[in-house]
Amino acid sequence: DTAVSQTPKYLVTQMGNDKSIKCEQNLGHDTMYWYKQDSKKFLKIMFSYNNKELIINETVPNRFSPKSPDKAHLNLHINSLELGDSAVYFCASSQGGKETQYFGPGTRLLVL
Amino acid sequence: AQSVTQLGSHVSVSEGALVLLRCNYSSSVPPYLFWYVQYPNQGLQLLLKYTTGATLVKGINGFEAEFKKSETSFHLTKPSAHMSDAAEYFCAVAPNNFNKFYFGSGTKLNVKP
Repeated sequence: DTAVSQTPKYLVTQMGNDKSIKCEQNLGHDTMYWYKQDSKKFLKIMFSYNNKELIINETVPNRFSPKSPDKAHLNLHINSLELGDSAVYFCASSQGGKETQYFGPGTRLLVL
Repeated sequence: AQSVTQLGSHVSVSEGALVLLRCNYSSSVPPYLFWYVQYPNQGLQLLLKYTTGATLVKGINGFEAEFKKSETSFHLTKPSAHMSDAAEYFCAVAPNNFNKFYFGSGTKLNVKP
């Protein structure tokens, strides 16, 4: 069974479009995260949710809006996509904020 | 502020040679420390972690790391490299008081036959 899953795995879209990435974890964790990994492999946290509440909101454009319908899901909606949004987006989860994070396989977003 | 420095964005070793990947952190108190590995086109996978207790931590695939408080370091080692170890390795720090991980910039390990 996949512990942290993301859909879609690949996403190719045009500038200006709106898209969503979904994440689900079946580990029973209470904390979930979104990370962005750029072309140089630099990994930067975007958001963190604990029990459906937003804990961390890094300096991310307002075009990015996370939504956590329940503890097992954390979705990421992106409005008006820009070329610079092209990256790999990783979802992760943990039990508590400083414990081991388990990562999903990533969503490779390419904005044309 | 927390930060993580990984010295060397690329490290190349021969198969069978010692692997040493360096990680230094800045923190006023000892944080939790982690090493993750990322194989091509995959997510990150935990190799090992240090929380408290014994400063030499053993992980999966023969890797180990030693927490040295005086040097604020958490270097990753493996006595003998395998071809399958070729991947990107990330050091991460979790401070004790809030929900955040700081990742280093990563070190790409290349293993030569």
